Amino acid sequence: EAGVAQSPRYKIIEKRQSVAFWCNPISGHATLYWYQQILGQGPKLLIQFQNNGVVDDSQLPKDRFSAERLKGVDSTLKIQPAKLEDSAVYLCASKAFLRTPAPEQFFGPGTRLTVL
Amino acid sequence: AQSVTQLDSQVPVFEEAPVELRCNYSSSVSVYLFWYVQYPNQGLQLLLKYLSGSTLVESINGFEAEFNKSQTSFHLRKPSVHISDTAEYFCAVSPLAGGTSYGKLTFGQGTILTVHP
Repeated sequence: EAGVAQSPRYKIIEKRQSVAFWCNPISGHATLYWYQQILGQGPKLLIQFQNNGVVDDSQLPKDRFSAERLKGVDSTLKIQPAKLEDSAVYLCASKAFLRTPAPEQFFGPGTRLTVL
Repeated sequence: AQSVTQLDSQVPVFEEAPVELRCNYSSSVSVYLFWYVQYPNQGLQLLLKYLSGSTLVESINGFEAEFNKSQTSFHLRKPSVHISDTAEYFCAVSPLAGGTSYGKLTFGQGTILTVHP
């Protein structure tokens, strides 16, 4: 079974530029999450999708961050414009159903963003 | 709301020595508990989980964790570590119920385990 795929793996941009990250979850997984992991901290949830609908985006800085999952499969996360404090690893995770007995999430390798 | 505190940011040990990585949590509802491991330049991998039943859970590579409800702790242990165990370890909790909060993970800040030869 293929895992969660993310691209690019690394991205370096200057502040005020735009950037987009892509995630393809495990086949059949209805729930998709985007996390921000700042160096020295644990991952922080940015947004949660169930199929193509947003379940929780309370921690997403909506003035600059946006995310979509139009067909309920892959997803993109965009930052526009980027700030220095957005430098982090952006992790995508997926889970089979919103409610399952065992709520494990499966993580992709992440995209390391450096904002100069 | 939930919070997770990992009491040590870095733990250096020698190969074949025992190790304990400490995790305490706070929650107003019952939770599932997880340990994830992150090797350099990789995503998080599930190491072990506590859902219900026996409070002692084990992984396939020799780690174990014990759920202590009275102390709200879920410490990770291994009796003899290997060089390959060098990684960052994250403790996480997820509420058992709560509508859309089900399955939502709250992570600790991580503990870097470095195993020296």
